[in-house]
Amino acid sequence: GNSVTQMEGPVTLSEEAFLTINCTYTATGYPSLFWYVQYPGEGLQLLLKATKADDKGSNKGFEATYRKETTSFHLEKGSVQVSDSAVYFCALSRGDTGFQKLVFGTGTRLLVSP
Amino acid sequence: SQTIHQWPATLVQPVGSPLSLECTVEGTSNPNLYWYRQAAGRGLQLLFYSVGIGQISSEVPQNLSASRPQDRQFILSSKKLLLSDSGFYLCAWRRGATTGELFFGEGSRLTVL
Repeated sequence: GNSVTQMEGPVTLSEEAFLTINCTYTATGYPSLFWYVQYPGEGLQLLLKATKADDKGSNKGFEATYRKETTSFHLEKGSVQVSDSAVYFCALSRGDTGFQKLVFGTGTRLLVSP
Repeated sequence: SQTIHQWPATLVQPVGSPLSLECTVEGTSNPNLYWYRQAAGRGLQLLFYSVGIGQISSEVPQNLSASRPQDRQFILSSKKLLLSDSGFYLCAWRRGATTGELFFGEGSRLTVL
C-alpha cells in the first residue's frame, strides 16, 4: 500500500542552522508529494508540493525535490528561525479511481532555539 | 475566498457520552470532505471522506460515524465515546479533480475522561 516514512523527532536546532527532515515514500505509480506544517494548537497548512519527478517545491525558504529514483522528498532550509518551530508532515496523494486521498507520515517536530 | 470552520475547538467528555463535531466549508461548492484524527505522538489517520451529500466512506472500523447532510457540512459523531477516542480531530476539504492539496480547519481537541 501507499505509505510515508519520516525521520523521528524532535529535531533541535539553533537559529540560522541548516535543516533537513528526511521523508521517503512507498507508492505505486506517480503520486503527488506534499509538506504540511502544523503550528502549536492549529490545523495543518500546506508548505510546498511537487507533482512529478524532479520537481522542486519551495516556499518561505523551504525546499524539497521529488526524487523518484530514491523515492524521497526531503525538506530543507538553509537558515531556520525560531518561528519555524512546528511539526512538519510529509504526505503523498494517490488516487486510482479519480478520488484522491492524502497519506501522511507521523510528523517531525522541529524546535529552534535563539 | 474559501474558508473552513470546525467547532467546538475543545471538548472534554466522559466515557460513554455522545459526540458531535461539526465542520463547515464556505466559498466553494461540492467539495471533497475529510475527517482526520491526530492522536498524541502519532501522525494523521484518515477516518472518513465524502465526495457528495449523503456519501460517506470509512477508512477504518471504529466507534465513530460521519454524515454529510448538506453540501458543505460534515459531521463526526459517536453514540458512546471511548477513552481511545481522545485526540485532535481535523476536518479538511479539497476541490474535486485536483492534485490532492487539502485545506484544513483549525481542529477540535477531544479529551475523553
